[in-house]
Amino acid sequence: QKEVEQNSGPLSVPEGAIASLNCTYSDRGSQSFFWYRQYSGKSPELIMFIYSNGDKEDGRFTAQLNKASQYVSLLIRDSQPSDSATYLCAAYTGKLIFGQGTTLQVKP
Amino acid sequence: GAVVSQHPSWVICKSGTSVKIECRSLDFQATTMFWYRQFPKQSLMLMATSNEGSKATYEQGVEKDKFLINHASLTLSTLTVTSAHPEDSSFYICSATTGTSSYNEQFFGPGTRLTVL
Repeated sequence: QKEVEQNSGPLSVPEGAIASLNCTYSDRGSQSFFWYRQYSGKSPELIMFIYSNGDKEDGRFTAQLNKASQYVSLLIRDSQPSDSATYLCAAYTGKLIFGQGTTLQVKP
Repeated sequence: GAVVSQHPSWVICKSGTSVKIECRSLDFQATTMFWYRQFPKQSLMLMATSNEGSKATYEQGVEKDKFLINHASLTLSTLTVTSAHPEDSSFYICSATTGTSSYNEQFFGPGTRLTVL
């Protein structure tokens, strides 16, 4: 069973802090990795994707990929209350396999 | 960016009736569309993958006779839940790929919340 694992949380951080979200995957054949944000009752929205080892930055977001450790992370700098949502990690293996999501709470 | 719409956004129906959900790519031609289901507090589970003009590929455990998928054009896919029952109540979300990216990012529709009474 190809799996993507995330800690369901909730992860609580104060406003302005860095939020660190983690994800592991089991299929070494995974080609690319995606982070989606999902607000309650809404569909996921793409934050960013990464396919090469290392870091990829986009504004306040940084995705990190370590294929040797089968590990993907998302850092959110200067966290805002509006960032409070569930963050879904997904691995593409011919289809998207989603993790169960991590709930992030940013407290003012 | 690539925009995907779904209609209706929510639907309530009686047990035993059929419900059709439409998924449209508004500003691009979608070579492939996907249908997901999400139960409360759970993640997205892929139900099926559809390509324009061909039969959908269903995931293991998804009844193809119950969840009928038609991908009639490069901008429209429909999911029909036949003889819906309360256990089919869920959040149904479609997504689409543009076919122009090597990285296979999917753009999601806003979802359809189905409640079967």
